[in-house]
Amino acid sequence: AQTVTQSQPEMSVQEAETVTLSCTYDTSESDYYLFWYKQPPSRQMILVIRQEAYKQQNATENRFSVNFQKAAKSFSLKISDSQLGDAAMYFCAYRDSSGSARQLTFGSGTQLTVLP
Amino acid sequence: DAGVIQSPRHEVTEMGQEVTLRCKPISGHNSLFWYRQTMMRGLELLIYFNNNVPIDDSGMPEDRFSAKMPNASFSTLKIQPSEPRDSAVYFCASSLTLRTPGEKLFFGSGTQLSVL
Repeated sequence: AQTVTQSQPEMSVQEAETVTLSCTYDTSESDYYLFWYKQPPSRQMILVIRQEAYKQQNATENRFSVNFQKAAKSFSLKISDSQLGDAAMYFCAYRDSSGSARQLTFGSGTQLTVLP
Repeated sequence: DAGVIQSPRHEVTEMGQEVTLRCKPISGHNSLFWYRQTMMRGLELLIYFNNNVPIDDSGMPEDRFSAKMPNASFSTLKIQPSEPRDSAVYFCASSLTLRTPGEKLFFGSGTQLSVL
């Protein structure tokens, strides 16, 4: 079974600085998708960024980018120029390209605090 | 678009009572998911529907849990009888289709359930 591990339960960053959140996963599949979702205090989960495994280029969305290392099964999220609104719980998630919703697996989350 | 709408936002009930959680997916979305979030187990997929038909309910913890989707714009998750260990945040999410593994899930704001 696929597993997703976020080894940092909590992280903090100074406003305007850069922070990297770690995620590793375990799978025997060769094609899959990886996601980072953000859960602010409002509770609503919001997709931040996604990456398809067969694409070597790292995904970017404005201040958010990923470092995807397929061989190492690592998928870290980098937030540049951190803003107070970035404070939230961040979840890494994995889904097989077989498309079964059962296989959308979430990590345990990293609570990010942004310090003014 | 108003997004995925869940009600109620908070529910407090006593053990043994019936609880019904409601969800309105985004108009035009064909797939609907129910997740449960707890500190101990993180985010778990309970059940999902495609075109109003339940596809996989293997995540439903017990027979006390049931879910229905009578039409494309409404779904319910019912717990009868409720127990204190059911206390959690229950999320509903929808997506356009199930065909694309990279499909974005849109989450509601969740229902915080407390069973006393």
